[in-house]
Amino acid sequence: DAGVIQSPRHEVTEMGQEVTLRCKPISGHDYLFWYRQTMMRGLELLIYFNNNVPIDDSGMPEDRFSAKMPNASFSTLKIQPSEPRDSAVYFCASSLSPLEETQYFGPGTRLLVL
Amino acid sequence: QKEVEQNSGPLSVPEGAIASLNCTYSDRGSQSFFWYRQYSGKSPELIMSIYSNGDKEDGRFTAQLNKASQYVSLLIRDSQPSDSATYLCAVNGGTGRRALTFGSGTRLQVQP
Repeated sequence: DAGVIQSPRHEVTEMGQEVTLRCKPISGHDYLFWYRQTMMRGLELLIYFNNNVPIDDSGMPEDRFSAKMPNASFSTLKIQPSEPRDSAVYFCASSLSPLEETQYFGPGTRLLVL
Repeated sequence: QKEVEQNSGPLSVPEGAIASLNCTYSDRGSQSFFWYRQYSGKSPELIMSIYSNGDKEDGRFTAQLNKASQYVSLLIRDSQPSDSATYLCAVNGGTGRRALTFGSGTRLQVQP
């Protein structure tokens, strides 16, 4: 299996621009998670989906952030408009259901907002 | 109080020694516990999972869980320089929540 795939791997943008991060989970995994990692706050859960349905989005920092999962093999995390404080590494992870709880992480997207 | 607490380190041990990493958690309903290793600039990768009290061994790694005291630890025997990384403790949310809560991580340095 190819593992969790994320794109782009690096993104540099200017404040106010829209940013879209993409994720392809491992085939057959029913759960998909979006995390953000910074030095100050560590690894934080933003949102997670089960069978393409958002279950918990309490970690989404504000309305500028939105996430979708239109099908079992694709998810997006969008930031509009982006701000410098959004600079972080964004990870996507997936896991099986219902007994397997191990989450497998993608390589991450390093976002820099200038 | 943070939900999952770890000493940030760095924890420095000589090559060949035992490294002991500790983690405490606040949610008594938590049922699943994980240790992830993260090399600088890379994504977290699972090292160990543990679900019941006691010890679980996998090669040079031993995870220990004590639910009464709400702590979980990771022992690395015969530490190697390649073990130098940040180790993240993760706990499930309890009450069926599938989301993990991560500690801030402990940086381990193994000196050759």
